[in-house]
Amino acid sequence: QKEVEQNSGPLSVPEGAIASLNCTYSDRGSQSFFWYRQYSGKSPELIMSIYSNGDKEDGRFTAQLNKASQYVSLLIRDSQPSDSATYLCAPGDSGAGSYQLTFGKGTKLSVIP
Amino acid sequence: DAGITQSPRHKVTETGTPVTLRCHQTENHRYMYWYRQDPGHGLRLIHYSYGVKDTDKGEVSDGYSVSRSKTEDFLLTLESATSSQTSVYFCAISVSGNQPQHFGDGTRLSIL
Repeated sequence: QKEVEQNSGPLSVPEGAIASLNCTYSDRGSQSFFWYRQYSGKSPELIMSIYSNGDKEDGRFTAQLNKASQYVSLLIRDSQPSDSATYLCAPGDSGAGSYQLTFGKGTKLSVIP
Repeated sequence: DAGITQSPRHKVTETGTPVTLRCHQTENHRYMYWYRQDPGHGLRLIHYSYGVKDTDKGEVSDGYSVSRSKTEDFLLTLESATSSQTSVYFCAISVSGNQPQHFGDGTRLSIL
């Protein structure tokens, strides 16, 4: 059973601060990693993909990947109240012919105005 | 937005009745997935498809069956619904196994 661990939160940060969301995964062979944002009552929405070790930046979002430590993180700079949501980490499963993602249970982020 | 339509969006039914949920895509993606999402459990994979008539079980497949007779449609059937199947069901699609999945708006299913 593949495991994906995220701090459930809630993580509260003041508006304008940096929010740091962390994720560890058990599948050592995972090669693809995705972050989704899910507003209450809505479907998950892809916000970041990362495939290589290091940092990947997209606007206010930065994904960081360390495959050796089996760790992936998401930084949100200049946090806004509209960033308040649950963030899901989803590594891709390894193995030939595997087409699945394993989702963490999510970290709930609250940005305080 | 990815062209994914789930129907119905809401359904209330009784224990023991059959239920079919439909996922329709206009993206011509090969891979389609059905998840359920419950408080405390997160998103869990029920079944997935990697082509027409090609399907496989996920983590929580008991009590569910699927069919895919056309690239664009993926059906999820609860043969005899139970209260434990009350959940929010999401369909997702993907170009390939190593690419991100994109989700439909979900179906909220209540079984009384």
